[in-house]
Amino acid sequence: KNEVEQSPQNLTAQEGEFITINCSYSVGISALHWLQQHPGGGIVSLFMLSSGKKKHGRLIATINIQEKHSSLHITASHPRDSAVYICAVRSFEADKLIFGTGTRLQVFP
Amino acid sequence: NAGVTQTPKFRILKIGQSMTLQCTQDMNHNYMYWYRQDPGMGLKLIYYSVGAGITDKGEVPNGYNVSRSTTEDFPLRLELAAPSQTSVYFCASSYDLAGVGNEQFFGPGTRLTVL
Repeated sequence: KNEVEQSPQNLTAQEGEFITINCSYSVGISALHWLQQHPGGGIVSLFMLSSGKKKHGRLIATINIQEKHSSLHITASHPRDSAVYICAVRSFEADKLIFGTGTRLQVFP
Repeated sequence: NAGVTQTPKFRILKIGQSMTLQCTQDMNHNYMYWYRQDPGMGLKLIYYSVGAGITDKGEVPNGYNVSRSTTEDFPLRLELAAPSQTSVYFCASSYDLAGVGNEQFFGPGTRLTVL
């Protein structure tokens, strides 16, 4: 079993829909990252959080440390949001990030 | 700032050939990382460096070597390329230990095919 699990693996939506991507992890962590990988391959960091909630524009990330779970929400989704969204955690024990396999989102007009 | 740059973008190698993937960052970051991304898999750490002259193995170091002679550069060397090394390689950097209050910046990736 992977230490970081994301669901769903694939997601399609119509423009304007509210999107939720989930991330569960099995290790104690000091921080959790949400990353976005565009079809061209580039990876950018969206959020880094260790508690509570963060918001950037139409993106909202939440984390529940007790339940070892995080969600990434996209409000009013747009075709340009089509990308792979990756969850990664920094565990207490390891000197590295542990990555989920990603959620592929496609938003259609 | 250019951020993290990688060369080449694409490369095809024959089995047994060697090559070096270049990575440079201009943000004066201490930490640099090499990852590989295989289809359907999460990013796996190959090697990382916490500063010039200091490198350490990640999860999947076999078949690779690195060096860090300057803060800016962190080349990844493939010796005796094998088909199992076909992957997309990402270099990344961060000011401090990524994940502990520090964002990680990624290069554009190098798509390597070994035939």
